[in-house]
Formats: sequence, structure tokens, C-alpha cells
Amino acid sequence: DAGVIQSPRHEVTEMGQEVTLRCKPISGHDYLFWYRQTMMRGLELLIYFNNNVPIDDSGMPEDRFSAKMPNASFSTLKIQPSEPRDSAVYFCASSLGRGSVNQPQHFGDGTRLSIL
Amino acid sequence: AQSVTQLGSHVSVSEGALVLLRCNYSSSVPPYLFWYVQYPNQGLQLLLKYTSAATLVKGINGFEAEFKKSETSFHLTKPSAHMSDAAEYFCAVSEPNAGNMLTFGGGTRLMVKP
Repeated sequence: DAGVIQSPRHEVTEMGQEVTLRCKPISGHDYLFWYRQTMMRGLELLIYFNNNVPIDDSGMPEDRFSAKMPNASFSTLKIQPSEPRDSAVYFCASSLGRGSVNQPQHFGDGTRLSIL
Repeated sequence: AQSVTQLGSHVSVSEGALVLLRCNYSSSVPPYLFWYVQYPNQGLQLLLKYTSAATLVKGINGFEAEFKKSETSFHLTKPSAHMSDAAEYFCAVSEPNAGNMLTFGGGTRLMVKP
């Protein structure tokens, strides 16, 4: 079975450019999570969705960050304009919530973002 | 609010030695607990989970963890370390009705010496 798929795997861009990260969750999963991982701050939850609706975006650092989930099989995380301090690995994860109790999250392989 | 503390950001063991990675949590209600492993340049993979069925939980790759309510701990162990176990390990907690949200510990990097 296909796991969580993220693209691109690596992105290098200049400061001020728009960056779009993409995620395809596991089919049938109704929760989707976006995380950021850095050496300094570890793993941080940015936002999560349930049934395509954003539930908690309190982890989004600032207005430059936005996330959408237009349908059950696709989500994007956008940074505009990007800054060097946004450099990190961004992970997407999905889990099954409907009718289940605290199912584990399944992670993609991440997007390594470098802002020059 | 729930929180997770992993004692020791780095742990080094010799190949064949016991692995013990510590995790303590705080939660206002009986939690669900998870251990994940992250290999270089990969995402997190589930090692094992505790969801109140049994206090001793067996996971993949020979790892197991024991839930101790009185100590609010969920330490991860493996009797004999392999070189391939070198990775970063994360403990995570979720509360019932918390929407599958996980709170992660800071992670412990396990190094295995030949």
C-alpha cells in the first residue's frame, strides 16, 4: 500500500520566493497533519485537518504560512514570502480517526527546504 | 495539558548491550502512548503503541515498552542492540478525544558502537 507521499523531496530557493509543499495522505485517512522539524526546535505541529477542515492552526508561525486541503487526497503548505529561517524539514502525516480510537499517525519522508 | 519528557538527548551503547530509552509523560487523563523511530533522511515510523490493552507492549525490530502508571513512564527497551538500531527515537502522547493529535518528546539519538 502506498504511504503518505510528499513532494518535492528537496527544495532550494531564494529568499522572498513562494514555496509550495504538497502531500497526498493515505487513502481513507481522515486526519492530516503538517509538522516542521529543526535542530533547534525539534518537531513542531503546524496545523492539522479533519475531513479536509482545518481544526487547529495555532502552530503556524506567522501569516506567511498557509495550508489548504481542497479534497481528501491532497494538501498543500505554502510559504510566501519565504525567509532563511524557514529552512527545515517539513513532514506531512495522516491517520484514521473515523470509528477508531487514537490510531497512529503515518509520516511521509518529508520535504527538506533550504531558503538561501 | 499533556507533555512528554525524554531523558537524554543522546544515548550511546555497544553492539549487543541493553538499550534503554526513557520517556515520562504528564496527562490529565489516561493517555495513549507511542514510540516512533526516525532513520536519517526519512520520516517517523511507528515502533509500538500503548492503548490500554496491556501494559507491556511489543513492537517491531525487537523493541518493547512498559507502561507504568504510578511512574508516569513508558520507557523503551531492547535486550541486545544492533548497529542498524542507530537512529532517533521519539516518544509521543495522545489524549482520548484529542483528535489524534500527538505531543512529541524532544527525541533521543541512539548511537551503537561496534
